[in-house]
Amino acid sequence: GAVVSQHPSRVICKSGTSVKIECRSLDFQATTMFWYRQFPKQSLMLMATSNEGSKATYEQGVEKDKFLINHASLTLSTLTVTSAHPEDSSFYICSARRTSGETQYFGPGTRLLVL
Amino acid sequence: AQSVTQPDIHITVSEGASLELRCNYSYGATPYLFWYVQSPGQGLQLLLKYFSGDTLVQGIKGFEAEFKRSQSSFNLRKPSVHWSDAAEYFCAVGATDSWGKLQFGAGTQVVVTP
Repeated sequence: GAVVSQHPSRVICKSGTSVKIECRSLDFQATTMFWYRQFPKQSLMLMATSNEGSKATYEQGVEKDKFLINHASLTLSTLTVTSAHPEDSSFYICSARRTSGETQYFGPGTRLLVL
Repeated sequence: AQSVTQPDIHITVSEGASLELRCNYSYGATPYLFWYVQSPGQGLQLLLKYFSGDTLVQGIKGFEAEFKRSQSSFNLRKPSVHWSDAAEYFCAVGATDSWGKLQFGAGTQVVVTP
């Protein structure tokens, strides 16, 4: 199979702090990983695309200084929400695409609550 | 730019009845098409995908989907639903360039009644 994990699954933090979310492809190499945001009862919105060893590409309207993405290896990408505010509370989901292949495999998501 | 429309926000179906979820897309060429299912507290699971070839695609859990180019549709079907099929279903369109970004539809919530 193609398993993608995320850590943590749930995080609560105070306003103004930074939170790091990890996305790992457990049994395959992923050249490309994607980060999505999902609001309650809504669809997934792509935030950014990260390729291993290069800078992430952000979708229009997504602040790159707010949402820092690092893809340092073929199995790990991290999303850091800097200076988090209550409006950043959401469900963050990552996906990974095999080095050879078109299908994305999704992690279970991380629920972020900023107080 | 690619886009995906799922016209039905919510569908209620009786257990054992057939199910069809609609998906229409807009894309300049033949896109990659996907159906994902999201159950509460779980990640998105791929049900099936279409890249090329046979337009009737078989997936997991007894689902199938048919690509109709003339209608720009990729509807998902299941002949007989089970209570465990209650979930949120997302249709997605993938760009055929090297980035492969996905555009998701708004989702269809499926409720299964006894």
